[in-house]
Amino acid sequence: KQEVTQIPAALSVPEGENLVLNCSFTDSAIYNLQWFRQDPGKGLTSLLLIQSSQREQTSGRLNASLDKSSGRSTLYIAASQPGDSATYLCALPVGGGGTSYGKLTFGQGTILTVHP
Amino acid sequence: ETGVTQSPTHLIKTRGQQVTLRCSSQSGHNTVSWYQQALGQGPQFIFQYYREEENGRGNFPPRFSGLQFPNYSSELNVNALELDDSALYLCASSSPTGEEKLFFGSGTQLSVL
Repeated sequence: KQEVTQIPAALSVPEGENLVLNCSFTDSAIYNLQWFRQDPGKGLTSLLLIQSSQREQTSGRLNASLDKSSGRSTLYIAASQPGDSATYLCALPVGGGGTSYGKLTFGQGTILTVHP
Repeated sequence: ETGVTQSPTHLIKTRGQQVTLRCSSQSGHNTVSWYQQALGQGPQFIFQYYREEENGRGNFPPRFSGLQFPNYSSELNVNALELDDSALYLCASSSPTGEEKLFFGSGTQLSVL
């Protein structure tokens, strides 16, 4: 059974800092990994999706890396802004090796606060 | 805006009652997945519907059931509500082609008293 752990559970940084969020998983036979953002009481927004054949994906100030062999992914946020304050979750396909088409196992998330 | 809408946004029920939550998927998406998110936790996969059939289920008891309609909208039904069913219920739509991104609704916050 795939287990996903995110560290740290919460992070508070001043505006402008670069930061790294960590995600680890127990079954390295994964098809892909996704990072999501969730604002309080709201649904999730997909930020980045990394296929198992890729090592990283970039979108604006966000960069996600994937190291299957070590069971780790990191989300790097450059030049953080107060608007980046949210919960960030990583997710992998249920069952690990196959494509999920929407069946995901999530970590518990990292609550990020960026203060002015 | 993801195009996925859920209703109602908030709901209060008492233990033992039954509840129905609704989800309209994004245009062109024929797959709907339901998730339960307890406070401070990540979402947990309940089940998925594809072309009106259940297509995978997580570790939830049979009192959690669902439906998908020909227009791909979906319902989540929970019978015999328990206090631990209090959570944010999220639905997500996807298309089994392309890059597998999920599009989530804003959720229904269910409180069981």
